[in-house]
Amino acid sequence: QLQLQESGPGQVKPSETLSLTCTVSGGPISTSSYYWGWIRQPPGKGLEWIGSIYYSGSTNYNPSFKSRVNISVDTSKNQFSLKLNSVTAADTAVYYCARQRFLEWFPGYWGQGTLVTVSS
Amino acid sequence: QSALTQPASVSGSPGQSITISCTGTSSDIGGFNYVSWHQQHPGKAPKLMIFDVSHRPSGVSNRFSGSKSGNTASLTISGLQAEDEADYYCSSYTSSNTLVFGGGTKLTVL
Repeated sequence: QLQLQESGPGQVKPSETLSLTCTVSGGPISTSSYYWGWIRQPPGKGLEWIGSIYYSGSTNYNPSFKSRVNISVDTSKNQFSLKLNSVTAADTAVYYCARQRFLEWFPGYWGQGTLVTVSS
Repeated sequence: QSALTQPASVSGSPGQSITISCTGTSSDIGGFNYVSWHQQHPGKAPKLMIFDVSHRPSGVSNRFSGSKSGNTASLTISGLQAEDEADYYCSSYTSSNTLVFGGGTKLTVL
């Protein structure tokens, strides 16, 4: 059974960098069939796609985040990571990692999500 | 990128059918058959209910169905049950190699 688990600090200070890791178990991250993505949800609001990465390291980002986001993959650890720079209170959200099917991009499996609060 | 447009809320009585619409553009919904729908209960992660416009993943009830016409996709839930009360989000692949979500629709089972 595939499982995705987000991990990282629950609180980040304004202007600093938000860093999260998604650990994938029950299947290899090095597969040609899927992208691995980050999606967030501010409290009481809707879902917002941040970006996705292929096991080769190729990335696609939401233009809204492009200047301050970096997603990387570590196939040896079966993990992929998110870094979001220069955070503000508007970046407070539940952050989900997800597996997206390669051709159609839909998120088929989701992690449970982790709340990150931006506050001093 | 602009979010897909969904109604903020819909409601129905047990046993009835409801339809949730999701409107985009020719660069997303209208250009590809890559629309998906996700159900989210409070405090839980979203769950995939429909992919590729009208396909159901294994384990999803056949009371859930999807369709598309032009730039608008739709999710229909028939035989409404109390457990269907949740938020529903559509999503679509876009011509810019990105993923876009709708704003979400709150379904209330009366």
